[in-house]
Parts: sequence; structure tokens; C-alpha cells
Amino acid sequence: DVKVTQSSRYLVKRTGEKVFLECVQDMDHENMFWYRQDPGLGLRLIYFSYDVKMKEKGDIPEGYSVSREKKERFSLILESASTNQTSMYLCASSLSPRQTKAFFGQGTRLTVV
Amino acid sequence: SQQGEEDPQALSIQEGENATMNCSYKTSINNLQWYRQNSGRGLVHLILIRSNEREKHSGRLRVTLDTSKKSSSLLITASRAADTASYFCATVGMIYNQGGKLIFGQGTELSVKP
Repeated sequence: DVKVTQSSRYLVKRTGEKVFLECVQDMDHENMFWYRQDPGLGLRLIYFSYDVKMKEKGDIPEGYSVSREKKERFSLILESASTNQTSMYLCASSLSPRQTKAFFGQGTRLTVV
Repeated sequence: SQQGEEDPQALSIQEGENATMNCSYKTSINNLQWYRQNSGRGLVHLILIRSNEREKHSGRLRVTLDTSKKSSSLLITASRAADTASYFCATVGMIYNQGGKLIFGQGTELSVKP
């Protein structure tokens, strides 16, 4: 089965730090996604990428950027971490545009202090 | 803004009962998917229904889609304690240049009591 691996399960960072969250998938998927999940708000899309070096903003891109230099790797960057970015971050990938199911990583619980 | 609104937000039932969760969405879709999340973990795909389909089954799961009402329902029959989880609907839109943009609802927390 497809494996989506997020680099850290738990992360604690200081306010103002630049934070990198890494995600790697092993099945040559076209699409990759970053979501954040907060209680009562479900999953909100931050960014997604449908090809190498291609990206589109989701619903809440402010304060975040992404990088996809290789097909298997999609990085989420918090330019200057703030306490309101404390959240669970979930990465996902799917095979092709519009047609197929997504596979999720185990999540990174980020705490900004 | 989120595409899907789910109802109810929380559902508590006894083992053996059926559980029904509803999802409404705002814009035209290519397909709608349901996912399950056990506490603190990643999501697992359950079932996908395309916009030209009305009903789909997978084991104890039954999904319906009504595109005229922009709504879907997930029915879990003969529920088990192990079905306790959060359930999310997610939609993929029709707009091609958005690729496979997958938008989630807020989820339903299902608790199945033994």
C-alpha cells in the first residue's frame, strides 16, 4: 500500500522560528496536500501541489509556503512561527487529478511556544 | 471556505445499531469521498462516489449522493465498538485547473458503546 511519511510526529518550536515540515510519498503520486486540523474546524487545506514545482493556495495559506522540488517530497514552511499555528498538520497524496482517493501521513502535532 | 458541512457533529449509539451521517456541499463536484480518522491519527479512505452515481456499497458501508440537493449520507450498518472514530466527507471539484483539490467537511464524531 501507499506510504506517506511525515518527518516528525511531535514538534515544539519557538515563536519566530522558521519551521519545515517534510512529507514524502513512495508511489509516484501527482497530487500532494497539506492540511491543518483543529478541534471543531475539521481539516482545512493550506496548499496543494498537482505537479513538481506547481502549487496552489488552499483556504488558509497565510503564514505558510510550500516547496515541491521532487515529485515524492512536499514541504510545508512556516516562515515565522506563531502561537496560532499550533495545530495538527496532515500531509496527503493522491494518484491523479480528481479521480482517486488520498492517502494520509500520520500527522505532525506542532506546538509553538 | 470549507465545502462540506456535516451533520450531526457528534453521534452516540449502541453496538448493533445503524449510524447515519450527512454531508452537504456548496459547489458542483466531480466526486465525493468519505474518510475515517481514529483519535490523533491520519485519515483512512473509506469510499468514493462519483457525481454520476447515486449509491455505493462497501461491506457495512452505504453511501448515497443527491447532486440536486448537494448532499450525501454515509450509513454504517450493524455498528461495532471498533467503528468509534471521526468521519469526514471530502469533495473534489469540477474545475480542471484545481486538479484534485480535496476539500473536507468538519466531521462527525461517532461513538459506539458496547
